[in-house]
Amino acid sequence: DQQVKQNSPSLSVQEGRISILNCDYTNSMFDYFLWYKKYPAEGPTFLISISSIKDKNEDGRFTVFLNKSAKHLSLHIVPSQPGDSAVYFCAATNTGNQFYFGTGTSLTVIP
Amino acid sequence: NAGVMQNPRHLVRRRGQEARLRCSPMKGHSHVYWYRQLPEEGLKFMVYLQKENIIDESGMPKERFSAEFPKEGPSILRIQQVVRGDSAAYFCASSPNRAANEKLFFGSGTQLSVL
Repeated sequence: DQQVKQNSPSLSVQEGRISILNCDYTNSMFDYFLWYKKYPAEGPTFLISISSIKDKNEDGRFTVFLNKSAKHLSLHIVPSQPGDSAVYFCAATNTGNQFYFGTGTSLTVIP
Repeated sequence: NAGVMQNPRHLVRRRGQEARLRCSPMKGHSHVYWYRQLPEEGLKFMVYLQKENIIDESGMPKERFSAEFPKEGPSILRIQQVVRGDSAAYFCASSPNRAANEKLFFGSGTQLSVL
């Protein structure tokens, strides 16, 4: 039962343009959402998060949007840079329980 | 402050052998999670442990897999009688507690190859 879904396995974007990565979830009890970035042969690293009481959180070039009614979140990267090329995982949890991860979206930023 | 340490980075086993994967959480972290990533797939939850307790093992296969997080020492994920399908990257993550808005910190993973 995949509670967190990333329906786009891959995305290619020109350098300098916006990258939009999407994520859907099914469990309305989730109260905290996170994005992780993963390079090959490395562990995932935390990128940005958002609490369910907010609908937007911004950190530099990265912004996460949460639409609770649609059970959807997205990660915007602008402007995209070649170093952003990686696999991005979204994750969701409710306090005290495990973290559920999506299947990842491989982002390629073309110079 | 050292991050989450996993060893070995690479582990090769023949079918039927045992694999032991170790994870030392970040200093001050008492919660450990194990995830498995199969080729071309996402991160699949396996088990969530606190010191000396298994909190959630709903993602663990019923046979051959076990995990522990003793009072002293690293967390261990043990796979007995490995099969080729166990070949995957195994990631450990830790958090200080499970208060609201706590994030996970991941190790670099152990790549298990079963011949």
